[in-house]
Amino acid sequence: EIVMTQSPATLSVSPGERATLSCRASQSVSSNSAWYQQKPGQAPRLLIYGASTRATGIPARFSGNGSGTEFTLTISSLQSEDFAVYSCQQYNYWPWTFGQGTKVEIK
Amino acid sequence: QVQLQESGPGLVKPSETLSLTCAVSSYSISSGYYWGWIRQPPGKGLEWIGSIDHSGSTYYNPSLKSRVTMSVDTSKNQFSLRLSSVTAADTAVYYCARAGIQLWLRFFDYWGQGTLVTVSS
Repeated sequence: EIVMTQSPATLSVSPGERATLSCRASQSVSSNSAWYQQKPGQAPRLLIYGASTRATGIPARFSGNGSGTEFTLTISSLQSEDFAVYSCQQYNYWPWTFGQGTKVEIK
Repeated sequence: QVQLQESGPGLVKPSETLSLTCAVSSYSISSGYYWGWIRQPPGKGLEWIGSIDHSGSTYYNPSLKSRVTMSVDTSKNQFSLRLSSVTAADTAVYYCARAGIQLWLRFFDYWGQGTLVTVSS
């Protein structure tokens, strides 16, 4: 099973600042990774797939990068609605696995 | 807009079987995609349980494989999950979601709202 390790667990950021979240895979998953945003009481929402492609309707301030074992999600200028939990996922190998999540909170 | 909606009991007794159904609207299950279940224990991360395609081929997480059964009913445009011998560790919000068939498209693009299932006597 591929283990997806996210860091940090919590990221404190002021509105308007840049946030960079990391996700590391225990072995290469090529570019077959995705990022999801989840707010309290809501289902996850797809942000990024293929490591760097924004999903439909996702603002340009969200960007993804990486391949192999190292992936990053960058939010260029945090808006109030961006404070949430972000999870990465690999879908290169069965079983599909998720990271434990990074909580982005208001500083 | 594809919509998924989970339904089923919110409370299951230990050792019994958890049964959930996901109704899909605005898209025919028969047209393709993997239809899957993901769960999230309170305060924890997401765990993929398994997925099924329109033909009934199933793919389960090995950690749950011995207890999981998934099925699809194309006539009702819905799919189902059964998880047997549940314990308190199976208490979670259960989501149904859609993923693509091709390797590079196997991310979850549409999700249900989720349903909390509590295992307790």
